[in-house]
Formats: sequence, C-alpha cells, structure tokens
Amino acid sequence: DSGVTQTPKHLITATGQRVTLRCSPRSGDLSVYWYQQSLDQGLQFLIQYYNGEERAKGNILERFSAQQFPDLHSELNLSSLELGDSALYFCASSVAVGHQYEQYFGPGTRLTVT
Amino acid sequence: AQSVSQHNHHVILSEAASLELGCNYSYGGTVNLFWYVQYPGQHLQLLLKYFSGDPLVKGIKGFEAEFIKSKFSFNLRKPSVQWSDTAEYFCAVIPLNTGFQKLVFGTGTRLLVSP
Repeated sequence: DSGVTQTPKHLITATGQRVTLRCSPRSGDLSVYWYQQSLDQGLQFLIQYYNGEERAKGNILERFSAQQFPDLHSELNLSSLELGDSALYFCASSVAVGHQYEQYFGPGTRLTVT
Repeated sequence: AQSVSQHNHHVILSEAASLELGCNYSYGGTVNLFWYVQYPGQHLQLLLKYFSGDPLVKGIKGFEAEFIKSKFSFNLRKPSVQWSDTAEYFCAVIPLNTGFQKLVFGTGTRLLVSP
C-alpha cells in the first residue's frame, strides 16, 4: 500500500459522458501527478499539481481537466468521453517539487467507455 | 523524438534463471533513471533509481541496474528469478533539463516466471 488512494476503482460509462476521478495523496505530500495507461499509448504523463497550482502539463486532451483542492486531494475530469479514453488512470504523489523526490503511485481507476 | 525504449515486450523464464531487461533512452542531457514494477492487479512500485554516482544501483527484491552513459542504457538485472517476480516492468526517465518531474515511461516488459 503506497498511501495514495484513488476512487472509484472501476468506472463504466458511455461515450459522450463526463466522469470525475479522485485521488488522495499520501499524508504530507504536496505534489500530485496524473498518468494514463492505455494499450496503444502505454503509460503517459498527463498533468502535475503542486500545492493547488498546476505545475506541468503533458499529453492531456482539452476535454480533460484537473484540479488540486486546498486539502490537497485532486480530481481529474474527463468529458465528452470517447472509446479511446478507456484506460487505467493512475495518480501519484510526492512530498515536494524536485526530481529527487520519489513518486508514489495509487492503485488506479480503470475507466471503460462503451 | 525523445523516448524510452524497452526492447523486450514479453519474457518467459524458468525459476532460478537470470534476468536482464533492456532499457535505452534518447535524451541528450542529464536524466534520472528508474525501474518500476507492476504486479498483477497492483499499483506501480519503485524497484530502484539512479541519480548520480556509482552506475551500478541495487534495488529491492534482489534487483540491480547498471547505467551506461555512453550507451544511453539502464538495464535491469536479477541473478535468479522467482515465480513471484512475474509482473510488468517499466523503465522510466526524468529529463532534468525540462525543470519538471514528469516520468517518461517505456512501453513495459511483461515477465512470466514459470515454476
């Protein structure tokens, strides 16, 4: 158990819908990262937040957005869902900003778009 | 394009065999290097990391990796695998010249160890 929690564990929804994935970082961690793992794209970095502010952006679609709240939990919002958005979405957290800080991964949310 | 390559997508070994998984990256500047493992149904866990210093890095569960700068490689090794090592292994890089901490992952290698 890494200490990072993600809910829900599984999500099945239809195309065109909108979903919200939730991540709670390890206690004391200020930085949250979102990654997408899909069969065709592999594991890809989406976005990073640090202490409530967006820090870095990766290959995140415009239909996707995220935020980090004052209690440091983060939500990833996926809208106008397409079949290709089906994937495992991981959240990771680290204590601070800096390459030397290990990222701890949560168990992931498996999203299936039908 | 800058990337991380893992050449073996699937590896099947018998218990007690030796393991070496290849990883090459194409970033020209300084990088931090990682190997993560994902056991079936579980989250990614860090096996080992290299930032600087001794290029031979020892990690958890008997794994080690060697950084060869001239070859842009960071291969993972284990002298004798066990059935419990069955998992997917990901090499990852943080390119330091970006100023960010995003991990760039390879495509992963699925290891199956037969008893």
